[in-house]
Order: sequence, then C-alpha cells, then structure tokens
Amino acid sequence: GDSVTQMEGPVTLSEEAFLTINCTYTATGYPSLFWYVQYPGEGLQLLLKATKADDKGSNKGFEATYRKETTSFHLEKGSVQVSDSAVYFCALRPGGTSYGKLTFGQGTILTVHP
Amino acid sequence: SAVISQKPSRDICQRGTSLTIQCQVDSQVTMMFWYRQQPGQSLTLIATANQGSEATYESGFVIDKFPISRPNLTFSTLTVSNMSPEDSSIYLCSVGMRLLHEQFFGPGTRLTVL
Repeated sequence: GDSVTQMEGPVTLSEEAFLTINCTYTATGYPSLFWYVQYPGEGLQLLLKATKADDKGSNKGFEATYRKETTSFHLEKGSVQVSDSAVYFCALRPGGTSYGKLTFGQGTILTVHP
Repeated sequence: SAVISQKPSRDICQRGTSLTIQCQVDSQVTMMFWYRQQPGQSLTLIATANQGSEATYESGFVIDKFPISRPNLTFSTLTVSNMSPEDSSIYLCSVGMRLLHEQFFGPGTRLTVL
C-alpha cells in the first residue's frame, strides 16, 4: 500500500537557519503530494501541494518539488523564524482522485530558537 | 475553502462510556473523513463518511467501535464507543473539495479517557 516516510525529528534550529525536512513516498501511479503544518494548539493546515511530477509547491517561504525519479517531496525554507515552530506532516493522495484519503508521514517537530 | 467546526473541542471521559463528536461544514461536500491522531503520532484515517450510504472503514477500525452518521451534506458525527484509555487521541474531521484538489481539516476534538 501507499506510505510516506519523513526524516526523524525533532529538528532544532536557530532563527534564519536553512531548513530541510526530507520526505519520500511509496505509491502506485502518480499521487498528489502535500505538506501540512500543525502549530501548537491549532488544527492541521495545508502548507503547500504539488499534483504532478516536477511541480514546485510554495507558500510562506517554504518550497517543495515533486521528484518522481527519487519519489521525494522535501520541504525547504531558506531562513526560518521562531513562528515556524510547529509539527510538519508530509502526505500523499492516490493518483486519479481529486479528493480522497490521505496517507500521512509520522510528522517532524520543528523548534526554532531566537 | 471550507470552514469546519467540531464539538466538543475537548472532553475527559470515563472508561466504558461513549462520546459523540460532531462535525459541521459551512458548505455542501460529498465526502467527509474521520482521522485519529494518537499522542505524538501521525494521523490515521478511521473511515470515509458518505452521505446516503454506510461509512467505509479502514483496516483496524470497525463500525461497532466507531459508528458514524452522515445525515446530510454538511454534517457528520463520529461516536467512540465503550471507551478505554487507548482511545485517548485527537479526532479530526476532514472534507475533500474536489474542484480545489484540497482537503481541509477541522480543529479536532481532544479526548482523554480515564
């Protein structure tokens, strides 16, 4: 079945550092890929998405590129802020469906210190 | 987008009792989903709630334990039956928006079973 693997956390960075959170997936066909963020005490929010190979999703300074050849969707940000401290989830949705069940990675806790 | 509300936002329950969680959406949606997020873990899909038909449960989840209702296109309930401490989790309602290719999440219901 489909699966998503994220890099182990937690990740601790200083403000303005570069961030990478690795995400790889296993799925048949061409899934859609997502990054969700969960801020402390809040619900899950969509951060960015990519629906086909080589697409780049971006939002709030975060970027991720859908790499079919390496089955990856790594999240990056050039300069993190304290307000980026949250739990980040990589997820996929099976190809051929415009909506449907999401398969999530285990989540990566990010803490940014001033 | 979709605005999703859940009731209650949190509850503390005794072992052996049942709790019904409500999910209300501000627009009509075809498919609604219920997820569970156990402490420190990722999200796991419990079931897909289809309006006008029985819910579809994922492996490891059964209707007797997690009965679901979907009386119309904007509302669903999930009941956690005969609760045990292992049911302590955050339960999230989610909806799929076909035209947006996105899935939105409610704020969650934090359940603690003593």
